[in-house]
Amino acid sequence: KAGVTQTPRYLIKTRGQQVTLSCSPISGHRSVSWYQQTPGQGLQFLFEYFSETQRNKGNFPGRFSGRQFSNSRSEMNVSTLELGDSALYLCASSLFQDTQYFGPGTRLTVL
Amino acid sequence: GENVEQHPSTLSVQEGDSAVIKCTYSDSASNYFPWYKQELGKRPQLIIDIRSNVGEKKDQRIAVTLNKTAKHFSLHITETQPEDSAVYFCAASTNFGNEKLTFGTGTRLTIIP
Repeated sequence: KAGVTQTPRYLIKTRGQQVTLSCSPISGHRSVSWYQQTPGQGLQFLFEYFSETQRNKGNFPGRFSGRQFSNSRSEMNVSTLELGDSALYLCASSLFQDTQYFGPGTRLTVL
Repeated sequence: GENVEQHPSTLSVQEGDSAVIKCTYSDSASNYFPWYKQELGKRPQLIIDIRSNVGEKKDQRIAVTLNKTAKHFSLHITETQPEDSAVYFCAASTNFGNEKLTFGTGTRLTIIP
C-alpha cells in the first residue's frame, strides 16, 4: 500500500497570508490527525478527523482549521499567518484504534 | 490533559552498548504507548508500541516496558548500531490510540562508532 502523502512538501508564505495543506491517507484509513512540529514545542496535536467529522481538537487558535472529504483526504488551513506558524506540519492516518502512520510533512516558512 | 515527560533529551552511547529512554505520563486513562524514530529530515516512523494490558514487548533489538502503577514506560535498544542514531519520541494516548497522541519532547540518540 502507498504510504501517507502530503502536498506541498515546502511552502513559503508571508505574514497575513493564508495557506492550505493537503493529506492523503493510506488506502482504507478513515482517521486523519494533524500535528505541528517545531524545535521549541515538539510535536503538538492540532486536530483529528474521522469520517468527515472532527473528533478531537488541540489547543490551537481558530486560525487553524481543517476538514476531511468523503474519500478520507484531509486539508488543513491556516489563516492570517504569523511568524510563529513556521513549522513542519505532519499528518498521520490510522485504522480504528490502531497505529498512526505519518506522512513526510509540509515544511511551512512564514516570512 | 495528558502530559508526557521524556528523559534524557540527549544520549550518546558507544556502538554495541545499550540505550534506555524513559517516559512518564500523567493520565491514568492512557492505555496506548507508541515509540517513534525520526531521522533528520524524515517522517516519524513507528518502531514499537505497547498497550496497557501488556507489561513488556520485544522486537529484535528493541523492547518497551510499561509500569502502569508508576505511570512510566521505557524504550530499550540493545547492541546499538550507527543507524540507530536519530531522535526518538514516546507518546501516550487513551482509547487504544483512537484519541490524540501526546508526545514527549524527544531524545536525540547518537551512536559513537
